[in-house]
Amino acid sequence: GAGVSQSPSNKVTEKGKDVELRCDPISGHTALYWYRQSLGQGLEFLIYFQGNSAPDKSGLPSDRFSAERTGGSVSTLTIQRTQQEDSAVYLCASSLDRVMNEQFFGPGTRLTVL
Amino acid sequence: DQQVKQNSPSLSVQEGRISILNCDYTNSMFDYFLWYKKYPAEGPTFLISISSIKDKNEDGRFTVFLNKSAKHLSLHIVPSQPGDSAVYFCAASVSGNTGKLIFGQGTTLQVKP
Repeated sequence: GAGVSQSPSNKVTEKGKDVELRCDPISGHTALYWYRQSLGQGLEFLIYFQGNSAPDKSGLPSDRFSAERTGGSVSTLTIQRTQQEDSAVYLCASSLDRVMNEQFFGPGTRLTVL
Repeated sequence: DQQVKQNSPSLSVQEGRISILNCDYTNSMFDYFLWYKKYPAEGPTFLISISSIKDKNEDGRFTVFLNKSAKHLSLHIVPSQPGDSAVYFCAASVSGNTGKLIFGQGTTLQVKP
């Protein structure tokens, strides 16, 4: 594809509900990252996938957050029992591999938890 | 603990003049640094990067300077254009690690015509 795509672009949900956010990385990119940007803050690393290696989950803020990457391509970030503090823009990025650190970002999903 | 800091939340410059955006870091293991530009409702776009083996990297109007002893880097934009108005993030990573980027809080640049 031309770039990293994410869906939905906006998601409004009620506190306590589960949400799924999707990322389609650039074709051929083996490394995939999830970040989030809370209001007025920088980007915060969440999780990293590289090929068939075990993901680096060190940035996930709680066990309500999980992510998977199927077939080395599409990734889904799932937030269970959403809380208001989960409201943020969730950004996905991909790169050729972890050595080539130029990461290409998608447009993000703006999540609002009411 | 904020490992990458951008202490100026905003900067305003006149078109044609130089814009200087600053970034400080605390982790001496960082050896690769990047600058990203972000427009509203869009994802960050890569601008320029620098490895710790260099102290300067130039690409057109954009130059990044790295001072390892001071743990400081800066982005110079010359000449500044109104289209440069955006939020600029610096980011750092450790080679050989996962490649995850640690971002600063961002600086909003406004270039006035």
